[in-house]
Amino acid sequence: SYDLTQPPSVSVSPGQTASITCSGDKLGNKYTFWYQKKPGQSPVVVIYQDNKRPSGIPERFSGSNSGTTATLTISGTQIMDEADYYCQAWDSSTAVFGGGTKLTVL
Amino acid sequence: QVQLVQSGAEVKKPGASVKVSCKASGYTFTNYYIHWVRQAPGQGLEWMGIINPSGGSTNYAQKFQGRVTMTRDTSTNTISMELSSLRSEDTAVYYCSRGGLIPRLETNSWFDPWGQGTLVTVSS
Repeated sequence: SYDLTQPPSVSVSPGQTASITCSGDKLGNKYTFWYQKKPGQSPVVVIYQDNKRPSGIPERFSGSNSGTTATLTISGTQIMDEADYYCQAWDSSTAVFGGGTKLTVL
Repeated sequence: QVQLVQSGAEVKKPGASVKVSCKASGYTFTNYYIHWVRQAPGQGLEWMGIINPSGGSTNYAQKFQGRVTMTRDTSTNTISMELSSLRSEDTAVYYCSRGGLIPRLETNSWFDPWGQGTLVTVSS
């Protein structure tokens, strides 16, 4: 089975840049998607197809994907960005999620 | 606006089955795939499978094959997910989510929007 690996936690100070990585075999050959999940709420896509931002998602969210690693970058991180973030990719018609990264803004 | 509204919380005993529904509105129901994803307490997101509301074809994650059944009712724009032989490890919030446009390649698609989630508790 295909695995996506994320760091369990990332901490950042308000206003600074947060980077969350997602690693997988030849991940750069696949599209990566990123979801934000806050407690008690449903997930929301923040980046699709590696680096595209849905309407309504702030410009401070960006993404990249190359080689074996995809990265979600949040520039000028705000308190409201504190959440769990999940990467997702497809492998042989199966959707695979990373284990999730808890982003703490303090 | 596009909306997915799920059925309410369920409490089931081990060995029983549960059926969760997901009613779609705000778009043409048969034009988009629907997925089911679950999150157990303290755990990450886990994909369960996909259904094509147009023809009813399905593809289930290997882990759930034999235990999960996804169906659709085009008269009510509703997708249902039934999970059988429940065990305590199936305690989770179950989400439906809209996928990509049929018949485009689903591996290029993402999940948006998501239903509000349905808590299924399996306990004796």
